[in-house]
Amino acid sequence: GAGVSQTPSNKVTEKGKYVELRCDPISGHTALYWYRQSLGQGPEFLIYFQGTGAADDSGLPNDRFFAVRPEGSVSTLKIQRTERGDSAVYLCASSPTGGRVAFFGQGTRLTVV
Amino acid sequence: AQKITQTQPGMFVQEKEAVTLDCTYDTSDQSYGLFWYKQPSSGEMIFLIYQGSYDEQNATEGRYSLNFQKARKSANLVISASQLGDSAMYFCAMREIYSQGGSEKLVFGKGTKLTVNP
Repeated sequence: GAGVSQTPSNKVTEKGKYVELRCDPISGHTALYWYRQSLGQGPEFLIYFQGTGAADDSGLPNDRFFAVRPEGSVSTLKIQRTERGDSAVYLCASSPTGGRVAFFGQGTRLTVV
Repeated sequence: AQKITQTQPGMFVQEKEAVTLDCTYDTSDQSYGLFWYKQPSSGEMIFLIYQGSYDEQNATEGRYSLNFQKARKSANLVISASQLGDSAMYFCAMREIYSQGGSEKLVFGKGTKLTVNP
């Protein structure tokens, strides 16, 4: 597709379970970002990849959160032992090398019950 | 640390009129970029306009313009000739640029909900 694709669009999981959220960036974009948006708030940065490596993971809230991008394209955000406070919309964005604009996907709405 | 402040939780405007959405920022960086994104109810963040800290001219993109006042650290978005489809959340964001190995992350404000009335 032409834009950033995120799957699933919605995910409901039970407290304590493990979840994976997938992001397929725009083809050729080397930079990939994950953000988390809680209700009534702006997006908050989680992690930034340049190619396969995590250039900045300072936004990950704790060690239950982990993200990978093994081949420099698709990325997976992994959350272990989910808590109700993890409920939010998780947004992925990508940009080309040297590009100043990040293009966002439609997000995955995660609900932990 | 960078910080974005949007003081208007909600704004209302009549169709075809202009509206200004406020944004102030705080940073110690000399080189940075300012962005506005639109988020309709569908959830996607749509890029609207960009202003670099060294750009002398205010950015314009169609009906969108950015009123950049560097000394006041403000980057207000002006939407002219409002349309019903402009009703959405609007987020101001900033990013440090030309960082040496630093992050390319965006820092967002809390947003302003714009409602365009017919």
